[in-house]
Amino acid sequence: DTGVSQDPRHKITKRGQNVTFRCDPISEHNRLYWYRQTLGQGPEFLTYFQNEAQLEKSRLLSDRFSAERPKGSFSTLEIQRTEQGDSAMYLCASSQTGGSTGELFFGEGSRLTVL
Amino acid sequence: AQKITQTQPGMFVQEKEAVTLDCTYDTSDQSYGLFWYKQPSSGEMIFLIYQGSYDEQNATEGRYSLNFQKARKSANLVISASQLGDSAMYFCAMRAAGNTGKLIFGQGTTLQVKP
Repeated sequence: DTGVSQDPRHKITKRGQNVTFRCDPISEHNRLYWYRQTLGQGPEFLTYFQNEAQLEKSRLLSDRFSAERPKGSFSTLEIQRTEQGDSAMYLCASSQTGGSTGELFFGEGSRLTVL
Repeated sequence: AQKITQTQPGMFVQEKEAVTLDCTYDTSDQSYGLFWYKQPSSGEMIFLIYQGSYDEQNATEGRYSLNFQKARKSANLVISASQLGDSAMYFCAMRAAGNTGKLIFGQGTTLQVKP
């Protein structure tokens, strides 16, 4: 098992551009989460999928953000019309319903810098 | 509302000594789970240890142990025999109420191990 993978690892973009991040969870995991982490802070929940259904969205997820998990496997997080305040690490995590502890398995993150 | 508080922004410890990282939590739920994660400079969140609210024994995983004091709502992480590779950011987290499995994180503590 290769774990959770995220792509790209780093993205530098100009304000106003659109960016898309991809997350490939652990293959047998049905739950997928996106978090945002700014420097020196803990991860903040953005959204959650169970299979292909997006079941919860944080109020942090403005209209410029959209996430999909079309076939219940990989997920994408798109940010439209990026702003400097979007600069952060975007973390993806996955888990399996009914796991022994319910721990989330995280990828290495996608770091976004908006100039 | 559920909340995790980590009051130590930064900690230093001498190599081979033990260190305690503090975590307090707030919840009205009777059943909950508490987690500790390590985040090295590479960015990946690494699961360390889990404590369930009904677990009678404090959790241990190798050099990590969790000092769970339910009445005080604290779940401190103890790292014994610190190693240079333990230098990282450490996050305490709680599983949110409901059935999403999402975690709520504290602000983290940066640990530096001195040789």
